[in-house]
Amino acid sequence: QVQLQQSGAELVRPGASVTLSCKASGYTFTDYEMHWVKQTPVHGLEWLGAIDPETGGTAYNQKFKDKATLTADKSSSTAYMELRSLTSEDSAVYYCTREANGNFDYWGQGTTLTVSS
Amino acid sequence: QIVLTQSPALMSASPGEKVTMTCSASSSVSYMYWYQQKPRSSPKPWIYLTSNLASGVPARFSGSGSGSSYSLTISSMEAEDAATYYCQQWSTNPLTFGAGTKLELK
Repeated sequence: QVQLQQSGAELVRPGASVTLSCKASGYTFTDYEMHWVKQTPVHGLEWLGAIDPETGGTAYNQKFKDKATLTADKSSSTAYMELRSLTSEDSAVYYCTREANGNFDYWGQGTTLTVSS
Repeated sequence: QIVLTQSPALMSASPGEKVTMTCSASSSVSYMYWYQQKPRSSPKPWIYLTSNLASGVPARFSGSGSGSSYSLTISSMEAEDAATYYCQQWSTNPLTFGAGTKLELK
């Protein structure tokens, strides 16, 4: 069965960087794009961007272009998202989600990021 | 970017009641997608390509619409349907979500 297993909760200092991971299993990793979605009580669900694991090609929401970098490791079927220059505005739950024809058909369990000194 | 406005933001329904929630786009979109989310859980795919039910979604749910106006309907409310429902478009970058309609059981 398809599973997206995300890394654990993070507590990070302001100004630092953090890398979140999403390990895929149960399907061919390179056959589907992987997207990342941010959820906060204030802004709801926000799309950060997507990566094609086969080519490494990426697409970003302009709002997060200077905040997030997406990568993927085909050998371990794992997608990564680096977030940099963290502020309290980056505190959120982050989801990875597999896209099939525009539909997000599988979601990770979410990683809670807390930015605090 | 395309802004998706969901209404109402909050609603309640009694068991057996018909429920309709809407999603209005600031510009025309080709398709609408819907997700269900319950507290402390990830969103679940619910309706794709405007009117197709995701795997496991009960047949009492339906989706419809075109252009800039879309809706999700429950023919007969059940307790398990209490959740927040989000609409989503990707006709135009960036992909955007609505703010959600929270459906409570009356």
